[in-house]
Amino acid sequence: QKEVEQDPGPLSVPEGAIVSLNCTYSNSAFQYFMWYRQYSRKGPELLMYTYSSGNKEDGRFTAQVDKSSKYISLFIRDSQPSDSATYLCAMTVYNFNKFYFGSGTKLNVKP
Amino acid sequence: DVKVTQSSRYLVKRTGEKVFLECVQDMDHENMFWYRQDPGLGLRLIYFSYDVKMKEKGDIPEGYSVSREKKERFSLILESASTNQTSMYLCASRRGQGSYEQYFGPGTRLTVT
Repeated sequence: QKEVEQDPGPLSVPEGAIVSLNCTYSNSAFQYFMWYRQYSRKGPELLMYTYSSGNKEDGRFTAQVDKSSKYISLFIRDSQPSDSATYLCAMTVYNFNKFYFGSGTKLNVKP
Repeated sequence: DVKVTQSSRYLVKRTGEKVFLECVQDMDHENMFWYRQDPGLGLRLIYFSYDVKMKEKGDIPEGYSVSREKKERFSLILESASTNQTSMYLCASRRGQGSYEQYFGPGTRLTVT
């Protein structure tokens, strides 16, 4: 079983839709959770970072962590064509020595 | 702005060749990483380096070696390239231990024929 599972998509939505991206994980020691966005032919860039359980909001983006279910989500409100990218979740334990990445979900927002 | 650059965007090599992938960061970061990215498998860690001349194996080090002679430069070496090493290779750096953010380069698409 992979440490981190993520639906690869692709996910296609109309502009303005609310998007929900999710990852599940198996290691209960994970405490730090990140979402990276990767545009085509580019490297990933950090989008959101959350520690432990709870929600974190940044503009149109909300990251949610449910440690009891080992489930994390990224919500995108009022999605834009510029949000079209692959979104990767990542997580690590307290010492940040090693990061575990999901395989990425490809999102396409249609104008 | 942190910048991580990789020597080539696209590379085509023959089976058995020795291949060098170079990565340079300009922010005096202590830690550097090499990943490969394959469809359905995500990012898998090949090697990482905490400091100059220090390296540790990641999840898939077989067939690879690394070199970090200077703080800003981290090289990935494929000793004898094979077709199953055809992949996207991503280099990343981070400030140091305890820092959660990694900064990635644009990647090198390597094809081994």
